Amino acid sequence: QVRLQESGPGLVRPSETLSLTCSVSGDSITSSYWIWIRQPPGGGLEWIGYIYYTGSPNYNPSLNSRVTMSVDTSKNQFSLKLSSVTAADTAVYYCARRGGSSSTGYYYYYLDVWGKGTTVTVSS
Amino acid sequence: AIQMTQSPSSLSASVGDRVTITCRASQVIRNDLGWYQQKPGKAPKLLIYAASSLQSGVPSRFSGSGSGTDFALTISSLQPEDFATYYCLQDYSYPWTFGQGTKVEIK
Repeated sequence: QVRLQESGPGLVRPSETLSLTCSVSGDSITSSYWIWIRQPPGGGLEWIGYIYYTGSPNYNPSLNSRVTMSVDTSKNQFSLKLSSVTAADTAVYYCARRGGSSSTGYYYYYLDVWGKGTTVTVSS
Repeated sequence: AIQMTQSPSSLSASVGDRVTITCRASQVIRNDLGWYQQKPGKAPKLLIYAASSLQSGVPSRFSGSGSGTDFALTISSLQPEDFATYYCLQDYSYPWTFGQGTKVEIK
């Protein structure tokens, strides 16, 4: 069974960098694309970006200049860094796996495994 | 980015009711759309992918339809465990974008 677990500080000071890690068990970090998503308190879901163990990551343009994602294949983990945070970055942060299946020559993608989420509060 | 507009934003229904939630994309996305269910304090759960394919283990009372720009999620007979918030997600192009959510409440 594939499991994802987010970890990192629950409190980050304004203007500092938020750093989170997602540990993957039951699957190899090299087998899939890995996603970060966040949800502000009482709000909807926002796709932050994806990373694969090779090639360039893809970030949401709304956060592009502040986001960095990376993969550590030796630890079967991937990470998120978000710089210059403000109160607007307060959210539950989820990591997820991009799954896929093929049908009639076309490949469909979805988020089939999610971590439980970790709450990050930006406050002084 | 593609905008996804869900409606209604909330609804009240009774156990046994048939419920339909719709999602409209700001441009054609073929059938690259999924539906997710989220309960309070929990991560979202995949219900439907490719607009109408039921994820393994999801009850058959959930169904999806649509293609192009207009999509729907239908729950044929609402069960107590179905009271939750539902989101559509387009995976046609990056950045993937979610609808704003539909909260299904008990009448």
